[in-house]
Amino acid sequence: SYVLTQPPSVSVAPGQTARITCGGNNIGSKSVHWYQQKPGQAPVLVVYDDSDRPSGIPERFSGSNSGNTATLTISRVEAGDEADYYCQVWDSSSDHRGVFGGGTKLTVL
Amino acid sequence: EVQLVESGGGLVQPGRSLRLSCAASGFTFDDYAMHWVRQAPGKGLEWVSGISWNSGSIGYADSVKGRFTISRDNAKNSLYLQMNSLRAEDTALYYCAKDPGSGGKTWGAFDIWGQGTMVTVSS
Repeated sequence: SYVLTQPPSVSVAPGQTARITCGGNNIGSKSVHWYQQKPGQAPVLVVYDDSDRPSGIPERFSGSNSGNTATLTISRVEAGDEADYYCQVWDSSSDHRGVFGGGTKLTVL
Repeated sequence: EVQLVESGGGLVQPGRSLRLSCAASGFTFDDYAMHWVRQAPGKGLEWVSGISWNSGSIGYADSVKGRFTISRDNAKNSLYLQMNSLRAEDTALYYCAKDPGSGGKTWGAFDIWGQGTMVTVSS
């Protein structure tokens, strides 16, 4: 089955840029979606199809995807961005099953 | 306002059954595929099952295949998950999530989520 690998944690100072990676075999050939989840809340879609933003999501959130790594980039990080972030793809090799990365805890120092 | 409201969770003994429901409002329900995603306490997200707009395409995670059944009633704007032969490892918060597409050959992202309903499997 397809595996997505995320770093367990990323720390960044306010105003700096956070980059959260999502590794997978030839992930560049898939569409990657990213979700933000704050404690006690449901996840929120922040980037879809590698680099598109849903309405209402700040431009500070952006995504890229190439080769074996997809990246969520959060520019000018704010305290309110502190959350768990998950990447997600569909594994077409196994009857289109959904796959999530293990999640990355973003800490704003 | 687009909204998904899950219900039906609770405490159930191993081996028993439970049926979850998800009531949708604020959008044309029968235009979109729908999914169930779960999260065990303190753990990450796990896709459980998805269903296309017309129930013509359905998928399950290996962990629930043969035990869980997803269905929908477009006339009632509702999504369901019938869970049989429940195990301790099925203990989780179960979210209903909307797909931005109709489903079929491909699935999309999860663009709208409910607040979840908790299922606890324990004797």
